[in-house]
Amino acid sequence: GENVEQHPSTLSVQEGDSAVIKCTYSDSASNYFPWYKQELGKGPQLIIDIRSNVGEKKDQRIAVTLNKTAKHFSLHITETQPEDSAVYFCAARDDFSGNQFYFGTGTSLTVIP
Amino acid sequence: DSGVTQTPKHLITATGQRVTLRCSPRSGDLSVYWYQQSLDQGLQFLIQYYNGEERAKGNILERFSAQQFPDLHSELNLSSLELGDSALYFCASSVDVRDRGNYGYTFGSGTRLTVV
Repeated sequence: GENVEQHPSTLSVQEGDSAVIKCTYSDSASNYFPWYKQELGKGPQLIIDIRSNVGEKKDQRIAVTLNKTAKHFSLHITETQPEDSAVYFCAARDDFSGNQFYFGTGTSLTVIP
Repeated sequence: DSGVTQTPKHLITATGQRVTLRCSPRSGDLSVYWYQQSLDQGLQFLIQYYNGEERAKGNILERFSAQQFPDLHSELNLSSLELGDSALYFCASSVDVRDRGNYGYTFGSGTRLTVV
């Protein structure tokens, strides 16, 4: 099955700096890669996603890049704010084999005011 | 409010007992997924149901079982509970991928189970 690895496990940045979280996947058939943000006491919430036919996608301060050849994808958060502090999960799925997502182990991001 | 409703929010029970966690999916979603999130661990996939039928199974213990009812709500049954079963249990829902209408999961806010 798919194996998704995520780094780093913890990340601290100063407010206004950028944060980057990286994930690798093993199954070349995976073609959909969402990112989830989990705030304390809440369920994960989809914040951005990318499909394998796209190399980069941006939504305001958040961007995701995908390198299919190297099988890795990254989340970039610019101009970080304290409310960005949360746990972020990457995930991967092969649309043709089923709907199950394989999640990374999460990155705890702390934005220091 | 994500549209996925999980009850109860908190549950405290003793070892050896049995509990049932309930999930109502977002309106229009046919698939329900159960995940376990233990302390310092990621999201471990347990099981998926689609329109009442089991579609995929992950690392679900034999002491655990689930079902999806005709109204599409789902229940996760945990029996012979052990201390190590203490965790957050999340339910997520989605439309079927073949509909091409929505690719992501919508998660509920979870049930925090504490086994003492």
